Amino acid sequence: QVQLQESGPGLVKPSETLSLTCTVSGFSIGSGYYWGWIRQPPGKGLEWIGSLYHSGSTYYKASLSSRVTISLDTSKNHFSLMLSSLTAADTAVYFCARHRDYTFDYWGQGALVTVSS
Amino acid sequence: EIVLTQSPGTLSLSPGERATLSCRASQSVSSSYLAWYQQKPGQAPRLLIYAASIRATGIPDRFSGSGSGTDFTLTISRLEPEDFAVYYCQQYDSSPEFTFGPGTKVDIK
Repeated sequence: QVQLQESGPGLVKPSETLSLTCTVSGFSIGSGYYWGWIRQPPGKGLEWIGSLYHSGSTYYKASLSSRVTISLDTSKNHFSLMLSSLTAADTAVYFCARHRDYTFDYWGQGALVTVSS
Repeated sequence: EIVLTQSPGTLSLSPGERATLSCRASQSVSSSYLAWYQQKPGQAPRLLIYAASIRATGIPDRFSGSGSGTDFTLTISRLEPEDFAVYYCQQYDSSPEFTFGPGTKVDIK
């Protein structure tokens, strides 16, 4: 059974950089599939942030691309999200997920990140 | 960017009734790239349907998807108590980008 778990700080200051990690169990992320990040502001809908392939190639939502980096660490079987220049608008629950067939089939439980001084 | 619009925003129904949810795209979407998710409060979304009409593993057959081009539909044939939730459609385009619709909330009448 594939399981994903997000970890990282729950509170980050404006203008700083958010760093989140998604640890995967039940599957070796270097073996295949794409892995992605999606966020959901409180009470609002879902927004895809970006994804990477198991080889390390990445693609990002165009409007966020200047602030986003997603990377892979196969030795730890996890992948990470960095989002810079944070504002209150980045406050959200951040989900990591696996995707196949252009859908997200396994999700983490989500991590709430609040941007506030 | 392809924009997805879902209607209605809220659907108030009773258990046992049929639910019909609509997802409309601003441009044509390949059926292979259209999915539906269910989300309950405090939980991650759960994949229900992919490639417009294929049920994901473990999804009951009361859930069905249909449509093509710019108009897609999720149907729940007979609502069970556990089906009251928010439903999102999602598409992939060749930009490449994924986008989600704003969601339809199915609540108990």
